[in-house]
Amino acid sequence: KAGVTQTPRYLIKTRGQQVTLSCSPISGHRSVSWYQQTPGQGLQFLFEYFSETQRNKGNFPGRFSGRQFSNSRSEMNVSTLELGDSALYLCASSWGQGNNSPLHFGNGTRLTVT
Amino acid sequence: LAKTTQPISMDSYEGQEVNITCSHNNIATNDYITWYQQFPSQGPRFIIQGYKTKVTNEVASLFIPADRKSSTLSLPRVSLSDTAVYYCLVGTNFGNEKLTFGTGTRLTIIP
Repeated sequence: KAGVTQTPRYLIKTRGQQVTLSCSPISGHRSVSWYQQTPGQGLQFLFEYFSETQRNKGNFPGRFSGRQFSNSRSEMNVSTLELGDSALYLCASSWGQGNNSPLHFGNGTRLTVT
Repeated sequence: LAKTTQPISMDSYEGQEVNITCSHNNIATNDYITWYQQFPSQGPRFIIQGYKTKVTNEVASLFIPADRKSSTLSLPRVSLSDTAVYYCLVGTNFGNEKLTFGTGTRLTIIP
């Protein structure tokens, strides 16, 4: 099975711009979750989608949003970029039901805001 | 949601067995314990998962005592390629919770 695929791998944007990141989950996985990883804050949960519905959201401002399509692929969007949004953005997929469905991560999108 | 506590860093020599312990005093009845490994600029990789007692796979063992308030990841005969950050994650899979990763343990293998 192909793993979780995230595109693009690297991205450089300017303050005030917006960005859209894409995630293709493992085939058959219906849950997709997003994380922000920075050296100072570690891995922080952004949100999770299951069957096109957002089930949970982390403590991030409304500039961070996401969606999931009927084929389980997901996108996340960050509007009005700030320097502090520079981070590795990780997507993970899982079967999504039951208590023991491990997360499978992509290799992330490295976003740099200048 | 159970908060986890792990050592920030550990060093070990090649060929030795390494044990990393994670404390999770508030673990809930339905919670599983999952360990991940992360290399720089890559996403975390699933290593092993357990609920109680002992679980073993081709890369690691996971020991969970009866009270389940802690767990120990055991890596046998480590090599330089095991240098990574290891995360312990406790919880169910979403639904009514936000999965929270702790700070992780930075393991450095010394030649």
